[in-house]
Amino acid sequence: EPEVTQTPSHQVTQMGQEVILRCVPISNHLYFYWYRQILGQKVEFLVSFYNNEISEKSEIFDDQFSVERPDGSNFTLKIRSTKLEDSAMYFCASSEPTSNEQFFGPGTRLTVL
Amino acid sequence: GDSVTQMEGPVTLSEEAFLTINCTYTATGYPSLFWYVQYPGEGLQLLLKATKADDKGSNKGFEATYRKETTSFHLEKGSVQVSDSAVYFCALRAFFGNEKLTFGTGTRLTIIP
Repeated sequence: EPEVTQTPSHQVTQMGQEVILRCVPISNHLYFYWYRQILGQKVEFLVSFYNNEISEKSEIFDDQFSVERPDGSNFTLKIRSTKLEDSAMYFCASSEPTSNEQFFGPGTRLTVL
Repeated sequence: GDSVTQMEGPVTLSEEAFLTINCTYTATGYPSLFWYVQYPGEGLQLLLKATKADDKGSNKGFEATYRKETTSFHLEKGSVQVSDSAVYFCALRAFFGNEKLTFGTGTRLTIIP
């Protein structure tokens, strides 16, 4: 069964460093999303991406964040200069254009020291 | 804005017990409602959904009914199993073409043999 994959499963970085979180969505999906969950808090929407551009972003998704689909398979989230408060589990998701269902990856746990 | 309020956890039950996890929402219009489940070490998986009032979503013995009058979507299962131990997330997707999911805080369920 097709699934969304994410790498790495755990990333540890120093404050101020750049990190790139990678996702491979399901191959025939056209909508892509990033969410995050700070430990003990809600899963929060960050950004959605369609047709090679951002279709919606939350207030969390500031200038430190960017997304890219560099090739036909990967979807990346970049944090330019990480802060302690960026420590969270980051989930990638994808969906078909006509479906209500978003398929999620297993997440990347980001720890900023 | 839209929000989901979910029963706080953790919840611990004995095998074969009856399960209810409460979920209420605030949204304009007629959102679609979802329950996602996260097993240890895995991503969020769609458990069930309902797209209009009075719809009942069901899967793997779990059920939830979309109650517009009480703005609720409570998750129920008649007889839980150890394998149901997981974190359960209630979520909504707004009616007006908004792609993002709005999640509750999640409820950790542990079933004791």
